[in-house]
Parts: sequence; C-alpha cells; structure tokens
Amino acid sequence: TQLLEQSPQFLSIQEGENLTVYCNSSSVFSSLQWYRQEPGEGPVLLVTVVTGGEVKKLKRLTFQFGDARKDSSLHITAAQPGDTGLYLCAGEAHGYSTLTFGKGTMLLVSP
Amino acid sequence: DAGVIQSPRHEVTEMGQEVTLRCKPISGHNSLFWYRQTMMRGLELLIYFNNNVPIDDSGMPEDRFSAKMPNASFSTLKIQPSEPRDSAVYFCASSAGVPAYEQYFGPGTRLTVT
Repeated sequence: TQLLEQSPQFLSIQEGENLTVYCNSSSVFSSLQWYRQEPGEGPVLLVTVVTGGEVKKLKRLTFQFGDARKDSSLHITAAQPGDTGLYLCAGEAHGYSTLTFGKGTMLLVSP
Repeated sequence: DAGVIQSPRHEVTEMGQEVTLRCKPISGHNSLFWYRQTMMRGLELLIYFNNNVPIDDSGMPEDRFSAKMPNASFSTLKIQPSEPRDSAVYFCASSAGVPAYEQYFGPGTRLTVT
C-alpha cells in the first residue's frame, strides 16, 4: 500500500507570510500531483510533476518533486486569503492504475 | 467546456433507504473514478472504470455499494440499504489519460443518512 503523509495537517497564517507544506512517502511515484479544494467544491488540479528534482512555478506557488520521487513540497510566497483551502497531494505509483491521495493540509490565510 | 457534473448536490435520507448518485464525466475522457471523502479517512477511491468497464472495485466498502457505467457519458453509484456511517461527500472524477493522469473532479454529493 502506498501512503502519502502530508504535513502540517493544519496551518493558519496571516496574509503576506510565506509557507511550505510537505508530502512524504516511503514509496516511489512515477508522478505526483497537487490539488486545491475549496469548501463545498471538488479538488482542482494545480500541477503535475514527473521528473525527480523537478521544480514548477505557478505564480506565487512553487512545487518541487524530490530527487528520489518519494516526496514533494509546495511553497507559497506572500500568501493571500484566496489561497485558503485544503491542499492535497496525490501520487501515481508504478504498476498501479489509480492515484493515492494524502489527507491534505488545511490552509487558512487571514487578512 | 462543461466539467464533471454530479447530482444531486445534497441528499438527506433515512437509514435503510436506497440512494443513487449520478455522474456525467467530461466528454472524451475514458476513465471515471468514484471517491468518498470524510474528515477521518480523507479521500478514498471506491471504484475505477476505464472505457466503461470496472477495473478496480477493491475500495467498495461492502455489498451494499454498487456502481455502473452503462455508457461513456453516465455513471451511477448506488447504496442499498444506506446506513449512517455512509454519510460523507462522494466525488466523481474523470481522466483522459491512462491510467490515472490528471483527474478532474465534480463538485461532489454531500450525503447525510439519519
């Protein structure tokens, strides 16, 4: 069973602060995705990383895939209230036809 | 383009009743997934279809749960009989990739069983 552990579980910060959330596993993944879920909605895909060491940027969000493809991080610069939501990572393991989701990090950004 | 469509958005029913959740995937997507989300367990995969054929139903909790995909544009998840522990948000997602690349989620159905 492939497990993805996300940390922290909950993060409450002020607007303008920087933050990093983590997604870790003992398993190797062929790709890893990050989703954001707002209250009352389904998860929305933010990014997919596929190469060990890969870094992708989406405006103020920076995503990194670990060299060994077992972990990933999401860094947000100058957080805004609109960044509030549940951030989920999901990995696709070799030989598996489905995604494994972490339980998520709930981010609250206050004005 | 229309995204994944789910109905109903909210369902409240009494224990023992049959519940049917519906999903219309994005046109052209060949994979469809049903998930259940709770605070305690997070997002759990229930069943996965590829080209309308069930591929992996190992996440279906028990025989009370069943899912069908009669054609490429429609799927149902049925719970009969429903129990209070089935209360959760149920999501449908679709993907154009094989097997699980970049899934697109519907808005979910919030099910409450009293």
